[in-house]
Amino acid sequence: EAQVTQNPRYLITVTGKKLTVTCSQNMNHEYMSWYRQDPGLGLRQIYYSMNVEVTDKGDVPEGYKVSRKEKRNFPLILESPSPNQTSLYFCASSLPGAGQFFGPGTRLTVL
Amino acid sequence: AQKITQTQPGMFVQEKEAVTLDCTYDTSDPSYGLFWYKQPSSGEMIFLIYQGSYDQQNATEGRYSLNFQKARKSANLVISASQLGDSAMYFCAMREGSRTGGFKTIFGAGTRLFVKA
Repeated sequence: EAQVTQNPRYLITVTGKKLTVTCSQNMNHEYMSWYRQDPGLGLRQIYYSMNVEVTDKGDVPEGYKVSRKEKRNFPLILESPSPNQTSLYFCASSLPGAGQFFGPGTRLTVL
Repeated sequence: AQKITQTQPGMFVQEKEAVTLDCTYDTSDPSYGLFWYKQPSSGEMIFLIYQGSYDQQNATEGRYSLNFQKARKSANLVISASQLGDSAMYFCAMREGSRTGGFKTIFGAGTRLFVKA
């Protein structure tokens, strides 16, 4: 089954404790992206990747890191999470220019 | 700067009727893509339809069509014969090239559609 998986689905953590949200796709897509969704703001792009070892900033990259060492994986790293990073996070993948397939989302709470 | 505007926070439609969800965009890039996504109450994001800036015809996918008016910079989603399962949040999105050769994507704030029986 074609899918994008994210782990964990839910996470409660404390300020400053490094965390990683994993994202994996099995569709051989070049393009992968991370978004955060906050009420009334729609989805905002954090980082995206056009292919292995090619990443670029979206509109809200501050406080986040990503890496793309393999085509299928695109982890999101929060080195020192803060409460303003409490949000719903989505990973997505697609062929270049096509509609994106989204993961199920990760709900993160930073206390 | 690129921008997506969805002016309707909420919409009501009677079951079996058609409904139009508005989306306007702003970009200086001649090459861009426009997308609509659906987010049901369960939370997942579902791709519905795509329109490229150079496409001459409006995109259609089943009961979904995209009314693309390039000069007005609008990309409205039309849902024909609404069903109860269409009740959801709908997001308009635009993808355009970045200076580094990649594709940035921005989303509108969304329109919540309620389908009445």
